[in-house]
Amino acid sequence: GNSVTQMEGPVTLSEEAFLTINCTYTATGYPSLFWYVQYPGEGLQLLLKATKADDKGSNKGFEATYRKETTSFHLEKGSVQVSDSAVYFCALSGEDSSYKLIFGSGTRLLVRP
Amino acid sequence: NAGVTQTPKFQVLKTGQSMTLQCAQDMNHNSMYWYRQDPGMGLRLIYYSASEGTTDKGEVPNGYNVSRLNKREFSLRLESAAPSQTSVYFCASSRQGASYEQYFGPGTRLTVT
Repeated sequence: GNSVTQMEGPVTLSEEAFLTINCTYTATGYPSLFWYVQYPGEGLQLLLKATKADDKGSNKGFEATYRKETTSFHLEKGSVQVSDSAVYFCALSGEDSSYKLIFGSGTRLLVRP
Repeated sequence: NAGVTQTPKFQVLKTGQSMTLQCAQDMNHNSMYWYRQDPGMGLRLIYYSASEGTTDKGEVPNGYNVSRLNKREFSLRLESAAPSQTSVYFCASSRQGASYEQYFGPGTRLTVT
């Protein structure tokens, strides 16, 4: 079945460092891919998405490219801020069940001043 | 602009007690979802409602029931709570299906003793 694997956290960075959070997936067909972010004490909110191969999603300085050949959707940001400290979830919605989002286990990011 | 609201925010139950978690959205979305979030496991789908009048099981439906009361409201019921149901519960909605952005409520933290 469909699944998402994320790198384990926590990831601790200094402000202005470069961020990469790895995400790989297993799915049949051509799923849509998402990154959601959860700030402390809140629900999740969509950060970015990509719906087909080679698409690049971007928002708030974060980017991720849908790589079908490597089944990956890694999240990157060139210069992180303290306010980026949160838990990041990679997710997919598969062609076989368009109402179900499959989430990775989440990666906690801590950015220090 | 309330988005997705959930009540209560916190709840403590004894084993065997019942309760209903309430969820409402004001975005005229067709699809609604209930997830549980456990440490290290990401979010897992309990039930979803693709549209008013329909409900379907997700990944972990055992021990839960749902009601799509109308287009706005989607409730989750625990008939006989168990300690394994200690979790944070999130309600979400989307325009139609998981390929659209899902909007999440703030969550309900439930403890079963």
